[in-house]
Amino acid sequence: SQQGEEDPQALSIQEGENATMNCSYKTSINNLQWYRQNSGRGLVHLILIRSNEREKHSGRLRVTLDTSKKSSSLLITASRAADTASYFCATDASGSGAGSYQLTFGKGTKLSVIP
Amino acid sequence: DVKVTQSSRYLVKRTGEKVFLECVQDMDHENMFWYRQDPGLGLRLIYFSYDVKMKEKGDIPEGYSVSREKKERFSLILESASTNQTSMYLCASSFFFIQGASSATNEKLFFGSGTQLSVL
Repeated sequence: SQQGEEDPQALSIQEGENATMNCSYKTSINNLQWYRQNSGRGLVHLILIRSNEREKHSGRLRVTLDTSKKSSSLLITASRAADTASYFCATDASGSGAGSYQLTFGKGTKLSVIP
Repeated sequence: DVKVTQSSRYLVKRTGEKVFLECVQDMDHENMFWYRQDPGLGLRLIYFSYDVKMKEKGDIPEGYSVSREKKERFSLILESASTNQTSMYLCASSFFFIQGASSATNEKLFFGSGTQLSVL
């Protein structure tokens, strides 16, 4: 079952603008991760935020987590054409037992950055 | 440099064939995963393994089996390939982060480049 849902499904911006993508989920989580995928390739990890963290930065990336609203956002500042890719959130659900060892991905946001 | 290697980038098979997709990681990770990715459906977990010889079903295990005889290798098997198994297959691996006495979480996943499988 898919837990994370990204919004919007697609986003088109001009180079230099900021891009914001959102992720909502349904159940309690241990952590939430964001990944990037260039067309036809594997996913690359961007950032991990734990359930007791509210904000995290990595270079031009800023991730926030609101566990009360069960949502997260990924902000890419000063976007570049090379940021064009699909972005996925993935949730690691709470709980013990082997079944909780899954990382569940959403369907992704397709970002196009126009030069 | 950490690496997850999938044996084939592109694969074309016939309906009814037995298909093996191999994945090897060089990071001594406990966890390994097989996902399939289809347009509009995102990534869906087929099987995962948290130790040698251990396996757990994901969301869509039907028509697939897996094998993990060694820690570094996780194989996905399509016993009798069908056209609805045409897809991009992604392998990934990760460490556990031990959270407490009885729970653990996944640290970041490292993905292979994917295998685009076409079943004709």
